[in-house]
Amino acid sequence: GQNIDQPTEMTATEGAIVQINCTYQTSGFNGLFWYQQHAGEAPTFLSYNVLDGLEEKGRFSSFLSRSKGYSYLLLKELQMKDSASYLCAVRDRDYKLSFGAGTTVTVRA
Amino acid sequence: IAGITQAPTSQILAAGRRMTLRCTQDMRHNAMYWYRQDLGLGLRLIHYSNTAGTTGKGEVPDGYSVSRANTDDFPLTLASAVPSQTSVYFCASSESASGQETQYFGPGTRLLVL
Repeated sequence: GQNIDQPTEMTATEGAIVQINCTYQTSGFNGLFWYQQHAGEAPTFLSYNVLDGLEEKGRFSSFLSRSKGYSYLLLKELQMKDSASYLCAVRDRDYKLSFGAGTTVTVRA
Repeated sequence: IAGITQAPTSQILAAGRRMTLRCTQDMRHNAMYWYRQDLGLGLRLIHYSNTAGTTGKGEVPDGYSVSRANTDDFPLTLASAVPSQTSVYFCASSESASGQETQYFGPGTRLLVL
């Protein structure tokens, strides 16, 4: 099974940087995903890490350390539209995804 | 149709009634999934199908059944609804169950069981 922990809420100012941490314990590991979910909408894919290190995609970056069971999502140059929930998900040895409860990020002007 | 569609968008259901949530994708994805999302608990996998003709149980399968007669459709049935099945249900699909392929989510069905 999976145990995935991420903070419940974070608040940041427009233009700032926010880092959302995710720790996990898993029975087998086949990748870690980050999804963004705006209120009342479906989750949408942000990033995928399967090897250790940093993956950068524009204003968003995601980092993975498999030995520490740790990942973070970095959001730079925050915009009001980045206010959303961010979901950390781990894929196990059977290729099934388990999700954390999500981190609600509020961006203030 | 583009992507994944779900029907109905929302539903109020009396306890004990039978209900089928529909999910259709037009991306010819092999794998499909059903999740429920509850406040504070995140998304939990109900059932999945790695390819047409096969299904498997996820984390919370009790009270739900699925079928996968073809590639495009993956209906979820609640045989006799109970109030604890009040939730938002998301269907998702991916090109395959493994690899880098991400899962794409439908818009969700909001179900209230009274």
